[in-house]
Amino acid sequence: GIQVEQSPPDLILQEGANSTLRCNFSDSVNNLQWFHQNPWGQLINLFYIPSGTKQNGRLSATTVATERYSLLYISSSQTTDSGVYFCAVKLANQGGKLIFGQGTELSVKP
Amino acid sequence: EAQVTQNPRYLITVTGKKLTVTCSQNMNHEYMSWYRQDPGLGLRQIYYSMNVEVTDKGDVPEGYKVSRKEKRNFPLILESPSPNQTSLYFCASSLGGVEQFFGPGTRLTVL
Repeated sequence: GIQVEQSPPDLILQEGANSTLRCNFSDSVNNLQWFHQNPWGQLINLFYIPSGTKQNGRLSATTVATERYSLLYISSSQTTDSGVYFCAVKLANQGGKLIFGQGTELSVKP
Repeated sequence: EAQVTQNPRYLITVTGKKLTVTCSQNMNHEYMSWYRQDPGLGLRQIYYSMNVEVTDKGDVPEGYKVSRKEKRNFPLILESPSPNQTSLYFCASSLGGVEQFFGPGTRLTVL
């Protein structure tokens, strides 16, 4: 089956720093989403980005579908950015099932 | 406000006592699904529904049942819960199986 690999697995930042999270996937996909799981366990939608680039405030994401990767950029990080970031992909012939990567655990220190 | 709601948010129960976790969405989405999240195993799909009265198994359906009698509701039923069903459960919905929106999660502990 498809493999979804995220890197790095863990990341510690000082408040105000920038970071790039990466998601590689092993097959063609027709949906890619980024989520933030906050310390209370809630999954927050960040981006729906099967291709191209999107920006939302301090966060932006780029997916290069032909090269099978996506990047999530966090600029001027804040302590509230702490948590786990997941990318999830959907195959064209797999109904609506999302296949999640193992996540990047981000800790932003004040 | 467009949202997916789940109840209860937290539940501690005992082995064998039937329980239902409710899921409701107000976005008129036809696609709904259930996932469980476990340390080291990530998020895995339990069941999904493409529309009313249409349900199918995901990757880990054993020990679970679902029903889809109305478009907005998709309850998850554990007829005889066991400790290995202790997990964090998420309901999700989407329009056309595209961008999915998740509920707040239900933390279930089975003793």
